[in-house]
Amino acid sequence: GNSVTQMEGPVTLSEEAFLTINCTYTATGYPSLFWYVQYPGEGLQLLLKATKADDKGSNKGFEATYRKETTSFHLEKGSVQVSDSAVYFCALKTQGAQKLVFGQGTRLTINP
Amino acid sequence: EADIYQTPRYLVIGTGKKITLECSQTMGHDKMYWYQQDPGMELHLIHYSYGVNSTEKGDLSSESTVSRIRTEHFPLTLESARPSHTSQYLCASRPQGTDTQYFGPGTRLTVL
Repeated sequence: GNSVTQMEGPVTLSEEAFLTINCTYTATGYPSLFWYVQYPGEGLQLLLKATKADDKGSNKGFEATYRKETTSFHLEKGSVQVSDSAVYFCALKTQGAQKLVFGQGTRLTINP
Repeated sequence: EADIYQTPRYLVIGTGKKITLECSQTMGHDKMYWYQQDPGMELHLIHYSYGVNSTEKGDLSSESTVSRIRTEHFPLTLESARPSHTSQYLCASRPQGTDTQYFGPGTRLTVL
């Protein structure tokens, strides 16, 4: 079946460090891929998405590229801030499906 | 941007009580979802709906029930709460023709 595997957390970085959170997937067909972010005490918000191979999603300094050959959608940011501390979820949706498939989430903490 | 409301935000109740968690959205989205989020952060889909009078069970078995009498509302009911129901419950909706789900802020339920 379809699944998403994320880098295990928690991840702790210093402010202005480079961030990578790995995400790989298994799916039939050509899924759409997403990164959602959950700030403390809140629901999930869409951070970025990509709908086909080689697409790059970007938002708020975060980027992720849809790599079909490696079935990956790694999240990156060049210089993180304390305000980026949150839980990040990678997810996929296959064509025709009604549901998202989520990874287990990665907790990120940025220290000043 | 969708507006999704969940009430209450926090609820502490005793074992055996009947409760209803409210979820409403103002954008006329057809698809709605309920997720249970455990302390380890992982999201589990417990119910979803394609539209009015349509409800389906999700991937995780749940003792809760849902109804969809109006497009805007998708309440979740527990007939007899137990400590094992302690969790965060997240509601989401999705408009026709897109892959993006929009999440409410969640209800944190504690059953004593």
